[in-house]
Amino acid sequence: AQSVSQHNHHVILSEAASLELGCNYSYGGTVNLFWYVQYPGQHLQLLLKYFSGDPLVKGIKGFEAEFIKSKFSFNLRKPSVQWSDTAEYFCAVITSGTYKYIFGTGTRLKVLA
Amino acid sequence: GAGVSQSPRYKVAKRGQDVALRCDPISGHVSLFWYQQALGQGPEFLTYFQNEAQLDKSGLPSDRFFAERPEGSVSTLKIQRTQQEDSAVYLCAIGDHGQNTEAFFGQGTRLTVV
Repeated sequence: AQSVSQHNHHVILSEAASLELGCNYSYGGTVNLFWYVQYPGQHLQLLLKYFSGDPLVKGIKGFEAEFIKSKFSFNLRKPSVQWSDTAEYFCAVITSGTYKYIFGTGTRLKVLA
Repeated sequence: GAGVSQSPRYKVAKRGQDVALRCDPISGHVSLFWYQQALGQGPEFLTYFQNEAQLDKSGLPSDRFFAERPEGSVSTLKIQRTQQEDSAVYLCAIGDHGQNTEAFFGQGTRLTVV
């Protein structure tokens, strides 16, 4: 069965530190890839998405992600985090011919002011 | 959530009680999904509607779970004879029909079965 792995469950960073959250998926075919963020007490919001084309995707709030097909990865990056980036981050995949998301277990990011 | 209202936000049910969770898309969208998010986990797919048709219910964990969307807008997820393992956040999401689209999630209903 297809799955999504997020290896970092909890990450603590100081403001201005760089961020990279790992995401790997298990599926050999075409995929659509997403990162969602959930701020405390709020709904899941889309950060960025990859459907096709340039594997380096830029999203909102300075986030970007790179699709590396050979590694089945879609890691999320931000060069300099802010306190307001404290949230839970979810990687998700939709495999070709389907419509349902397969989510990772999430990474809780805490940014210290 | 953008375009999705869920009610109630919180529900405490005694074991064995039936519950109904509502999803009200603010604007018309073809696709509607229900997901279940247990504590410390990512959301897991429950069921999918395209307009009023329930095209996929493969994620419903048991026959105690039932979802409907009779007029292709508001949807209700019903859980009969609730059990403690049903405690979770239930998320509704909407989207446009097609492969390359994203879903918009509601804030969810947190169900606690005691």
